[in-house]
Amino acid sequence: DTEVTQTPKHLVMGMTNKKSLKCEQHMGHRAMYWYKQKAKKPPELMFVYSYEKLSINESVPSRFSPECPNSSLLNLHLHALQPEDSALYLCASSPSHRRSGNTIYFGEGSWLTVV
Amino acid sequence: GESVGLHLPTLSVQEGDNSIINCAYSNSASDYFIWYKQESGKGPQFIIDIRSNMDKRQGQRVTVLLNKTVKHLSLQIAATQPGDSAVYFCAESGGSEKLVFGKGTKLTVNP
Repeated sequence: DTEVTQTPKHLVMGMTNKKSLKCEQHMGHRAMYWYKQKAKKPPELMFVYSYEKLSINESVPSRFSPECPNSSLLNLHLHALQPEDSALYLCASSPSHRRSGNTIYFGEGSWLTVV
Repeated sequence: GESVGLHLPTLSVQEGDNSIINCAYSNSASDYFIWYKQESGKGPQFIIDIRSNMDKRQGQRVTVLLNKTVKHLSLQIAATQPGDSAVYFCAESGGSEKLVFGKGTKLTVNP
């Protein structure tokens, strides 16, 4: 079983709603990630936090807002999303993203449907 | 640009047979490779990894082979079981903080 926990597992939201996805890990990892995965496609990187600071933003639209309250928690705040944003959102963590050979471990994901 | 791809999008094998899933990459700077298994409705699960200073690494029923000359990676699964049915992704990193995923191969194990 994964040690990266994501909530909720499923979320349906309207285009005017504000919601958040949450992620937690207790492996002492210092890097955390958000990936987006569409059906039958590989995961695509959205954000990387390293030591609680945002280090990579892959040109993600501002309607997605990440937050890292502490080294164990990662949130993704959602506002004014579009139906095409419906996807599986994966949280992941790793010991440190600045070192090659840094294995990334994924949570089970949050299925998001925008209506 | 960087890309990691797979030769075959689907693979169907009989239970008990060995499976080989292939992956090609184009980034010469890649120095770390991971294979993930993703079952339906779940997140990617780490299977095995290999660094570029190795050409073979074995785990439980799985072996990863790396051929840097032709930029090719493969995952071998011995005595494939129905529980091995999933989509398998190779991923690479090197010279950057990103993990780049290949397109994925869907493995179906027939009883």
